[in-house]
Amino acid sequence: GAGVSQSPSNKVTEKGKDVELRCDPISGHTALYWYRQRLGQGLEFLIYFQGNSAPDKSGLPSDRFSAERTGGSVSTLTIQRTQQEDSAVYLCASSRGGSGTETQYFGPGTRLLVL
Amino acid sequence: RKEVEQDPGPFNVPEGATVAFNCTYSNSASQSFFWYRQDCRKEPKLLMSVYSSGNEDGRFTAQLNRASQYISLLIRDSKLSDSATYLCAVKRYSSASKIIFGSGTRLSIRP
Repeated sequence: GAGVSQSPSNKVTEKGKDVELRCDPISGHTALYWYRQRLGQGLEFLIYFQGNSAPDKSGLPSDRFSAERTGGSVSTLTIQRTQQEDSAVYLCASSRGGSGTETQYFGPGTRLLVL
Repeated sequence: RKEVEQDPGPFNVPEGATVAFNCTYSNSASQSFFWYRQDCRKEPKLLMSVYSSGNEDGRFTAQLNRASQYISLLIRDSKLSDSATYLCAVKRYSSASKIIFGSGTRLSIRP
């Protein structure tokens, strides 16, 4: 079956521009996560959607970052007025959701480079 | 203090050796534990979940120590293909709780 897909796979933008990153989770997965991973670093949690609950936005680094999840499926991460420090790989993951043990399945990521 | 901490390494061991590394977590409400593997420039993939009684999958053994709040990963008879970054992840027992990842431990197996 199809896994988590993300688009674009690579994005080069100029400082100050806005970018939108898309994530298509596995069908039926109610939980969706966005992470940021800078070169050589670990996963930095950004935002978590679980079903119809209010998203956990506690990891968003500034108000330039926002995300939405329409219809409980596709999610878009938007970065406004991009800065060079936003350059990183942005990973999306989905899981079946609910409590207890659950495996996260990651997409291939979007590599963002802000010039 | 980070909620999940790992020794970043790198661990550089010869092929065939046994290697182990730990991951500590600070929140005692953590209930689910995982080890993920991430190859260079790839996304993380689940290696194994960690159960209270410990679990083994081939050459890999995962253990949970709730009293000391850490999980461990043991790799026996290491292969060159085991070279990767190993990330631990923890989750509280709530559907509303997010999964928290450690920064990863880099492992390099040399011939």
